[in-house]
Amino acid sequence: KNQVEQSPQSLIILEGKNCTLQCNYTVSPFSNLRWYKQDTGRGPVSLTIMTFSENTKSNGRYTATLDADTKQSSLHITASQLSDSASYICVVKDSNYQLIWGAGTKLIIKP
Amino acid sequence: NAGVTQTPKFRILKIGQSMTLQCTQDMNHNYMYWYRQDPGMGLKLIYYSVGAGITDKGEVPNGYNVSRSTTEDFPLRLELAAPSQTSVYFCASRFRQGTYEQYFGPGTRLTVT
Repeated sequence: KNQVEQSPQSLIILEGKNCTLQCNYTVSPFSNLRWYKQDTGRGPVSLTIMTFSENTKSNGRYTATLDADTKQSSLHITASQLSDSASYICVVKDSNYQLIWGAGTKLIIKP
Repeated sequence: NAGVTQTPKFRILKIGQSMTLQCTQDMNHNYMYWYRQDPGMGLKLIYYSVGAGITDKGEVPNGYNVSRSTTEDFPLRLELAAPSQTSVYFCASRFRQGTYEQYFGPGTRLTVT
């Protein structure tokens, strides 16, 4: 069964610190992988999209990595800010254009 | 350019009542989607549309109906509301080609009691 698992479920870090969120997937065949940021009470907003041939993609302080062999992705946030407090969702698209959504990691940045 | 707008933001329904969740986009996107998001779960696709007059079922369509008479609007109809339909509903849209990035509305929080 196609699944996307994210860890940790939630994370609390101090402002200015770095953190890494994990995404493991069993989707096959794989088309692409996205990371979304979802602020509380808002819809998700796309951060990055990666195809199977891309290993790393950055968007400002957000850097996503992808290992298509091990079916793992990570989202690294550098020098966290209070505005980074949100849920981060990993989404994998299969070759049938179906999106499989992870449950998300809830990140809280404390001052 | 308002993007994707949804109304209402919040709604409480009694079991058995019906309602329509409205979704409008002003980006001339071909594709539109309805998702539900339950606590601790990933988004689930309810229905989608690839253009005016064309709709198709997603993963969890039971208890819902949709129509797409215009490019801009994609309303979601709940008939005979049930407590299991308590959720946050998101509408999204995207272009037919390109990055396939979906743009989401702010959501409607629905409670059925």
